[in-house]
Amino acid sequence: EDKVVQSPLSLVVHEGDTVTLNCSYEVTNFRSLLWYKQEKKAPTFLFMLTSSGIEKKSGRLSSILDKKELFSILNITATQTGDSAIYLCAVVDGGATNKLIFGTGTLLAVQP
Amino acid sequence: SAVISQKPSRDICQRGTSLTIQCQVDSQVTMMFWYRQQPGQSLTLIATANQGSEATYESGFVIDKFPISRPNLTFSTLTVSNMSPEDSSIYLCSAERAIEQFFGPGTRLTVL
Repeated sequence: EDKVVQSPLSLVVHEGDTVTLNCSYEVTNFRSLLWYKQEKKAPTFLFMLTSSGIEKKSGRLSSILDKKELFSILNITATQTGDSAIYLCAVVDGGATNKLIFGTGTLLAVQP
Repeated sequence: SAVISQKPSRDICQRGTSLTIQCQVDSQVTMMFWYRQQPGQSLTLIATANQGSEATYESGFVIDKFPISRPNLTFSTLTVSNMSPEDSSIYLCSAERAIEQFFGPGTRLTVL
């Protein structure tokens, strides 16, 4: 059965800290891996990763994929209170419908 | 990115009734998806809405409970039928464009 597992489930840090969120997967028809940030209702897109070893960066956020070891990490440097959210990892199942298989999410709380 | 709207944004319903949620995308898309996010949990795919054919349902979800329409390439509806308190959840519509998936703002449903 396909699955996506994220760790830790929750994390509390102080402003300025650096955090690393983990996502491992076992998906038969892997196409790509996506990271989302969810603050209220709708997840907002952060990154899409398809190739191993190529880091994607956006400001203080960066992410990388390892297709051999089947995992991805999301790094956030110099965290701010506005980074507090649930971070979701999802794998695109490259079957007939390109459906997303979501992980459990990591709840990040950044304290002042 | 795609702009996706959903309505209603929230509703409180009595058990045994049905609610239809609408999802509108700002341009034509091939694939549309319906997800459920129960309290404290990650997103679970309910079904893929195919234009011109029946929806494809995931394990654990059936058409009688969650009928879906997809009359054209920009619009879809999800009906939650014969509701019970266990159906209280956020329901999210998403659309795929250029292998990225974008989410609507979600519908927060509470069943009493």
